[in-house]
Amino acid sequence: QSALTQPPSASGSPGQSVTISCTGTSSDVGGYNYVSWYQQHPGKAPKLMIYEVSKRPSGVPDRFSGSKSGNTASLTVSGLQAEDEADYYCSSYAGSNNFSYVFGTGTKVTVL
Amino acid sequence: EVQLVESGGGLVKPGGSLRLSCAASGFTFSSYSMNWVRQAPGKGLEWVSSISSSSSYIYYADSVKGRFTISRDNAKNSLYLQMNSLRAEDTAVYYCARDRVEGGLSPYGMDVWGQGTTVTVSS
Repeated sequence: QSALTQPPSASGSPGQSVTISCTGTSSDVGGYNYVSWYQQHPGKAPKLMIYEVSKRPSGVPDRFSGSKSGNTASLTVSGLQAEDEADYYCSSYAGSNNFSYVFGTGTKVTVL
Repeated sequence: EVQLVESGGGLVKPGGSLRLSCAASGFTFSSYSMNWVRQAPGKGLEWVSSISSSSSYIYYADSVKGRFTISRDNAKNSLYLQMNSLRAEDTAVYYCARDRVEGGLSPYGMDVWGQGTTVTVSS
């Protein structure tokens, strides 16, 4: 199972929006509405930000939103804040024959 | 407080073995499926293995199948990863993570993560 493709980096000024793409195949992103997004600050554990394409866990600001079209999922961070600077990883269920997850390559978001 | 704490990492020679542990607290461990996810130095996340709440269902990434064994002891609120025939490419921080939804294995995301334990495979 190949990793999902994300852009290596994205950036925006405080208050602006940034959108990160996550491209897979019909066997993962395109085949299921089970895309999650994780935020990871340096040296820290990942944190779940979005699940099932567009749902937010309690406590995650509504500045974070997710969507999907075909084999590509997207995470949008609106109203960028300094604390949003982190690595972001998408993940998708990929288990047509066996249960499995596949993660994205990761995107470093920089707040200018 | 819901918490996962990994332990057992260290330096091991190629071909060697290591057993990781993950101690859970603050939630009903026996109700949740659990996962191991790893991250090589400077690299992205990689799913390693998942186990259902009752250990009835177990799955592995192809990269570790036949070498790693996931298990759990619900009486001890603990998750384990037995790693054999270790290779340099297994060097990573290993995280345990909880399924977001109680019950059987689900693809609905992982909502609680430990701080990770570092495994280094080198001669």
